[in-house]
Amino acid sequence: QKEVEQDPGPLSVPEGAIVSLNCTYSNSAFQYFMWYRQYSRKGPELLMYTYSSGNKEDGRFTAQVDKSSKYISLFIRDSQPSDSATYLCAMSATGGGNKLTFGTGTQLKVEL
Amino acid sequence: DTGVSQDPRHKITKRGQNVTFRCDPISEHNRLYWYRQTLGQGPEFLTYFQNEAQLEKSRLLSDRFSAERPKGSFSTLEIQRTEQGDSAMYLCASSTQGRSYTFGSGTRLTVV
Repeated sequence: QKEVEQDPGPLSVPEGAIVSLNCTYSNSAFQYFMWYRQYSRKGPELLMYTYSSGNKEDGRFTAQVDKSSKYISLFIRDSQPSDSATYLCAMSATGGGNKLTFGTGTQLKVEL
Repeated sequence: DTGVSQDPRHKITKRGQNVTFRCDPISEHNRLYWYRQTLGQGPEFLTYFQNEAQLEKSRLLSDRFSAERPKGSFSTLEIQRTEQGDSAMYLCASSTQGRSYTFGSGTRLTVV
């Protein structure tokens, strides 16, 4: 079993929809949680970064962390065609040099 | 500063040949990471440097792989006697002692 599980999709939604992306994890040591966006043939780009449990909002993006359930989510409001990309969750424990463990990524397509 | 730069962007090589990739991190970042990403998967950690010291290597990094970061600036990743299973995107990232990475666009390796 992988340390981080993420539904690979693909997920297709109409423009303007609310998108919900999720990851579960098994390692209780994870304390730092991130969401990256990756366009085709590009490197991952950091979208959201949260520490421990709670919510964080940045524009149309909201990240949620529930450590008791080992579950994290990313919500995208008013989705746009430019949001079409692969979304990767990533996590790290304290110490360990900030080494990240990634999910497999969810491919999102926002259609006009 | 233009971010993390990787060279080449794409490398095609015959099985058994040696290849070397270069990464130029953001200048003020003291940590540098190498990850490998195969199609449909998230990036997997290979190794990281703090300044010039290589502090951790993954079990994924077989004896055919070697990474260096002379003088704590740019880094090189060499793969000797390439195999078809080495075909992947090799991503470099850099950070300060904090948690936020900046990734490069990657080097796509194809072994034929």
